Parts: sequence; structure tokens; C-alpha cells
Amino acid sequence: ETGVTQTPRHLVMGMTNKKSLKCEQHLGHNAMYWYKQSAKKPLELMFVYSLEERVENNSVPSRFSPECPNSSHLFLHLHTLQPEDSALYLCASSQEVFSGNTIYFGEGSWLTVV
Amino acid sequence: AQKVTQAQTEISVVEKEDVTLDCVYETRDTTYYLFWYKQPPSGELVFLIRRNSFDEQNEISGRYSWNFQKSTSSFNFTITASQVVDSAVYFCALSDSPDTGFQKLVFGTGTRLLVSP
Repeated sequence: ETGVTQTPRHLVMGMTNKKSLKCEQHLGHNAMYWYKQSAKKPLELMFVYSLEERVENNSVPSRFSPECPNSSHLFLHLHTLQPEDSALYLCASSQEVFSGNTIYFGEGSWLTVV
Repeated sequence: AQKVTQAQTEISVVEKEDVTLDCVYETRDTTYYLFWYKQPPSGELVFLIRRNSFDEQNEISGRYSWNFQKSTSSFNFTITASQVVDSAVYFCALSDSPDTGFQKLVFGTGTRLLVSP
């Protein structure tokens, strides 16, 4: 059993749809992250949460809307996405947000926008 | 600025061969952390090792070993007697001490390792 679980694992959505990605961590960590992995780009940090408070929005378009209701759960709400948003979205967590804390990743959600 | 370079895009070996994955990093900080992750086809990034900048001792874990050399800003990863299950994309990453107070893990572009029987 992985410490960070993501659902759904695969999602296909139209450009006018609204969907959400869900992440849950079972490690008792205080920090959670969303990363994006595209085919031709390095892993990109999207959002960082520390104790349910967003501490980073890495210039992410507003069509991506994160939500962190508690330190164990993280959502990424998606609406009016573009085909270029198709990617693997990885959720992660660490004990704290500070440098040196090991970040543990989930299995990712494969998103295809048609 | 932080930067991680993995010059090897893809490496193919035959089972039982030894293979070394290269990682070169750039940072202006004296305190920083280096990581290696493995990404099998399923997509999950599996944590392998964390090393801080003050500990240059090489580490061995089973068939895996890591060579950290500050003089050349390198943190190379060697798999001894490779196995088919080692086939994956391997990422090197760097975390230093940003002014923002929270870490930004900067990844290299990854090296795809193919181990054939």
C-alpha cells in the first residue's frame, strides 16, 4: 500500500467538462503538493500546501483550482481545460515544506483532454 | 539558479550488466539536498535516496550505490548486476534553501533505463 493515493488513475475529459482529482496521504505529513509531468517537459511544481494553507501557486492558470480541506486530503479541480493540459498529475507529501524534507509521490492521475 | 542535468536520455543494457546514471547539479547554496527517484511505467515516483551537501560519504543499498562528489557537482547512481525489474525512468533532483522558505524540488529530465533479458 502506497502512502499517497490518487484517484482516478485515468481520466478523459472534454474541454467544457468539470472534473476533480483527489489525493490522500496516510503518512501524517503536514505538506502536500501537486506536480505536473508532461511528455516533453521536466516535472513542474504547481501548488504547495502547508497545514492546509496554500504557500505556492507556481503561475498556474486559473482553470486549475486546488483545494486542501485538511492536511491529509488534496484536490485539484479542473475546468475548461485545453488539450495541452493532458499530462500526468502527481500528488505528493512531505513531513514539512522546508528544504531537505523527502517528498513522497503518489501513482499519479493520467489526464487526457479531448 | 538551481539546475539538474541528466545528459543520458536513454540507456540500454543486458541483464547482469552494471550501469551508471549520471547527474550533474548547479546551485549557489552551501546547504542543499540531492535525491534520486525511480518511475516505473505505472507512473509513481519511488523515492530511492536523499543526500545532504555535508555528507559526501558514498552509500550502498543492495545493488544500488551512489557516488556524491562536490568537487564535480555530481551525484551519480550505479546499479550493479542489473535486472529487468530495474527498467524505469530515473530522476535526479535538487532541493536547496530558497528565499520563499519552502522547498522547490528541481528535477532533471530523467534517464530511461532499459534492461533486456
